[in-house]
Amino acid sequence: GQQVMQIPQYQHVQEGEDFTTYCNSSTTLSNIQWYKQRPGGHPVFLIQLVKSGEVKKQKRLTFQFGEAKKNSSLHITATQTTDVGTYFCAGPNSGYALNFGKGTSLLVTP
Amino acid sequence: EAGVAQSPRYKIIEKRQSVAFWCNPISGHATLYWYQQILGQGPKLLIQFQNNGVVDDSQLPKDRFSAERLKGVDSTLKIQPAKLEDSAVYLCASSPGGLGRNEKLFFGSGTQLSVL
Repeated sequence: GQQVMQIPQYQHVQEGEDFTTYCNSSTTLSNIQWYKQRPGGHPVFLIQLVKSGEVKKQKRLTFQFGEAKKNSSLHITATQTTDVGTYFCAGPNSGYALNFGKGTSLLVTP
Repeated sequence: EAGVAQSPRYKIIEKRQSVAFWCNPISGHATLYWYQQILGQGPKLLIQFQNNGVVDDSQLPKDRFSAERLKGVDSTLKIQPAKLEDSAVYLCASSPGGLGRNEKLFFGSGTQLSVL
């Protein structure tokens, strides 16, 4: 079945540094979604990418969907302590439910 | 707009006991999901409902887990008997529409289960 893999598993940065997490799917995806989970919290939707090569920005966050629609990335420019959390990518399975990656945990040191 | 409601927030049981979790999705949301999130991992789908019908329960350990959504609104997930490896956060999520709409999920705060 369809699986999504994320790297790195953990990332520790100094505040102000950039951060990137990568997501790869075993199959072509109709769309990919990104979620953020704060420590002790639940996943919260960030964005959905649908088109091949699509790039979307949300303030300091830039999301990309690969040309082959099998990979995606999230880049954060000039991290802040509020960016701390785990970032998950998720792709739909055959029943349209989302399969989540294992996530990348981001720690930002002031 | 009220979010996805889950209860209880925490539950501690001994192995071989039974436990039940409750979820009330956002009003009007047709699709409801139960996910299991083990510490340090991503959410894993257990079961997906479309209204009161099961769409996908391929990853639900049916020898011990059961779920229902009888009236197409709220849902319960039960574990009987529990094992140590069932310790996890059980997340309920909902989305507005029908199959194939690729909609975002709204998650509840989850129930943290500890099996001793």
